[in-house]
Amino acid sequence: GQSLEQPSEVTAVEGAIVQINCTYQTSGFYGLSWYQQHDGGAPTFLSYNALDGLEETGRFSSFLSRSDSYGYLLLQELQMKDSASYFCAHKAAGNKLTFGGGTRVLVKP
Amino acid sequence: GAGVSQSPSNKVTEKGKDVELRCDPISGHTALYWYRQRLGQGLEFLIYFQGNSAPDKSGLPSDRFSAERTGESVSTLTIQRTQQEDSAVYLCASSSSVEEKYFGPGTRLTVT
Repeated sequence: GQSLEQPSEVTAVEGAIVQINCTYQTSGFYGLSWYQQHDGGAPTFLSYNALDGLEETGRFSSFLSRSDSYGYLLLQELQMKDSASYFCAHKAAGNKLTFGGGTRVLVKP
Repeated sequence: GAGVSQSPSNKVTEKGKDVELRCDPISGHTALYWYRQRLGQGLEFLIYFQGNSAPDKSGLPSDRFSAERTGESVSTLTIQRTQQEDSAVYLCASSSSVEEKYFGPGTRLTVT
């Protein structure tokens, strides 16, 4: 089967750094993606890791370790607008995406 | 269009009625997905279309759910004999690459 585990909620203050971990179990693995979703909005793509290592895109970075079946999303210099849910998702054969349950990030002033 | 569009944005229906939800993907995107999201929950995969290949229907929860796609354009998700547990936001996404999926705004379905 295929499953992804991530924490349900994280709270931090503006300017802080938050790391959202994602562990997965899958019978076939082709990459780990991260999506952001604000309340009432559509998920939007943040990053994709197919190989081990760190991908940096502005204040957000994503890391993957295939040997550990583990990845994380790092949010730096937190801003109020970063309050949202963040989903990891893995791509299996055929381009199908399976999503984790999401981590709700609450940024406080 | 500029992005994925879905209609209607909101749908309230009575238990037992059939509903049709529509998705217009980004032009040229060969892959199209339907997901269901219950309040406060993650995205639950329903069905995936890729070009002219047979769709991956492995996520459809029951035979009351079906979906069609005409070529590489519009897709319709049909739910027959709706039940209250079908209440959710139904999200459509399209893609032309391995990495990035573009989601529509969703259809919020409420079954009374």
